[in-house]
Amino acid sequence: EVQLVESGGGLVQPGGSLRLSCAASGFTFNTYWMSWVRQAPGKGLEWVASIKQDGSEKYYVDSVKGRFTVSRDNAKNSLDLQMESLRAEDTAVYYCARDSGWNAGSYYYYMDVWGKGTTVTVSS
Amino acid sequence: EIVLTQSPGTLSLSPGERATLSCRASQSVSSSYLAWYQQKPGQAPRLLIYGASNRATGIPDRFSGSGSGTDFTLTISRLEPEDFAVYYCQQYGSSPRFTFGPGTKVDIK
Repeated sequence: EVQLVESGGGLVQPGGSLRLSCAASGFTFNTYWMSWVRQAPGKGLEWVASIKQDGSEKYYVDSVKGRFTVSRDNAKNSLDLQMESLRAEDTAVYYCARDSGWNAGSYYYYMDVWGKGTTVTVSS
Repeated sequence: EIVLTQSPGTLSLSPGERATLSCRASQSVSSSYLAWYQQKPGQAPRLLIYGASNRATGIPDRFSGSGSGTDFTLTISRLEPEDFAVYYCQQYGSSPRFTFGPGTKVDIK
């Protein structure tokens, strides 16, 4: 079964740090881009970061650049998000997602496998 | 940055009715870059449509996507009770890599 399981969420004070992890199983992890998407309470979806199959390319939404770092360990089928200098506005459910892929000879951009999410609360 | 606008914000319909959801982009978007998701309360999003018109694996054929350029549509031909949810469109771009629309809530009339 294709599966993503996030962990590492919790309550952290403003300015603090947290490291989220995502364990992948059931698919060839090192052949996919991976992404993090978050959803603030009662709000819509916001893409946060993506990382290429070999980790050579990383992209971030402007609001987290310089504070968040995405990484992956293909040997362990795992994806991480290191979050520093956390702010109240980073409070959200964080989802990891499998990113994009080939279908019938064409490459498409979407997120087709999602974890159940892990909750990050930034509050004093 | 391409901005996605979804309309209506809320759609109140009865089971069995047809739902038509709109997603408009501020600039032209390649069809390969446009996807639709369904999200129910307390659950992760679920991919419905990719490439503007291709159903994802396991998605019932009552869901269909269409459109090109700046105007895209998700249609649910006959609403089932489990279809009442929030629907998001998403596009791929250079920066940011992905953006989502604000969502359309389909609720029971």
